[in-house]
Amino acid sequence: EDQVTQSPEALRLQEGESSSLNCSYTVSGLRGLFWYRQDPGKGPEFLFTLYSAGEEKEKERLKATLTKKESFLHITAPKPEDSATYLCAVPGSGYNKLIFGAGTRLAVHP
Amino acid sequence: GAVVSQHPSRVICKSGTSVKIECRSLDFQATTMFWYRQFPKQSLMLMATSNEGSKATYEQGVEKDKFLINHASLTLSTLTVTSAHPEDSSFYICSARGGTEGPEQFFGPGTRLTVL
Repeated sequence: EDQVTQSPEALRLQEGESSSLNCSYTVSGLRGLFWYRQDPGKGPEFLFTLYSAGEEKEKERLKATLTKKESFLHITAPKPEDSATYLCAVPGSGYNKLIFGAGTRLAVHP
Repeated sequence: GAVVSQHPSRVICKSGTSVKIECRSLDFQATTMFWYRQFPKQSLMLMATSNEGSKATYEQGVEKDKFLINHASLTLSTLTVTSAHPEDSSFYICSARGGTEGPEQFFGPGTRLTVL
């Protein structure tokens, strides 16, 4: 069964304290892994797509990496405005359907 | 690119009334749109997949007659919550597959529905 698990469930960081979020997945035939950011009361905002093991993508203080079993979202020197819930997702066996993890709620304090 | 809008952003209605939510892809044509529901501090729950010109595909447990979906054009899908009740109060979010036909979905800003 296709499954996506994110950890930790919640993460509290001090401003400037780098860390990583984890997304492990079980899917037959990976056709992409997606990272989204969701702010309270808003829809998810697309961040990255990763397609193959070893691939990396960067955007400002965020870097996403992918292995055959998991993906990491590295946050370097975070700022309070990086506080949000970060979701990862993979296409399910039906291709149309995205399988979402439960998300990591990140809080960055000044 | 890949901008999706939703209208309204918030709606409050009385129990028993119907509410329509619109989802539009602004800068691309979306053959497939999706409707999600999200409860507080939970992840997104897919309700249905909407294909332009055909009937929507509903997820198990989602009432088709309760949540009517219409995808009349390549840029517009609507979700109508019929005879709404307080338990239908939730955050509804639509998404659309981008013009590249890749698997990425781009999400609208969401609609907060409150049924009194």
